[in-house]
Amino acid sequence: AQKITQTQPGMFVQEKEAVTLDCTYDTSDPSYGLFWYKQPSSGEMIFLIYQGSYDQQNATEGRYSLNFQKARKSANLVISASQLGDSAMYFCAMNPGDTGGFKTIFGAGTRLFVKA
Amino acid sequence: DADVTQTPRNRITKTGKRIMLECSQTKGHDRMYWYRQDPGLGLRLIYYSFDVKDINKGEISDGYSVSRQAQAKFSLSLESAIPNQTALYFCATSDMNEGPHNEQFFGPGTRLTVL
Repeated sequence: AQKITQTQPGMFVQEKEAVTLDCTYDTSDPSYGLFWYKQPSSGEMIFLIYQGSYDQQNATEGRYSLNFQKARKSANLVISASQLGDSAMYFCAMNPGDTGGFKTIFGAGTRLFVKA
Repeated sequence: DADVTQTPRNRITKTGKRIMLECSQTKGHDRMYWYRQDPGLGLRLIYYSFDVKDINKGEISDGYSVSRQAQAKFSLSLESAIPNQTALYFCATSDMNEGPHNEQFFGPGTRLTVL
């Protein structure tokens, strides 16, 4: 079965420190894409970062990086130098196979609290 | 202006009422989606559409129907609302020819409460 698991319902981090949000996935498709989205309190979903299953290097976007460990089927999001504005809900998601997005599966999310 | 808009943004209704949530996009994308978000469950796909003539059920389509009136418009209807349909509803779009990752672009969400 295809599934995304986020085991941390809530996380706290001190401002300016780094934080890792965990994500594990399960799929039998050899080709897939992994995404992270941010949902601030206002509710909108904001695309953060993408990792393809065949990408050799971990994805990075500014302060966001994705720690991709294919053998372990994990795709953890690392946020460096946390800011108060990073307080939000974070969702890990997967597009299994070459589906063009219509089978995107989302995890339950992790709520991140950044402390001043 | 936002690329994906949803109306209404908030709605409170009573059990048994018919409700329509509307989604419009100016991105020119061919694919559109409706999701619902519940605490602890993430987003779950209700329906998706690849073009005006193509409508497909998602994971949790029971109790919902959709209409793709045009490439830019995708409506979600609750024929007879029930309290467990209280949730945050998202419309999203994607296009195989835009973005290197087929990522989805989300509307701002509609918070629906069924009393």
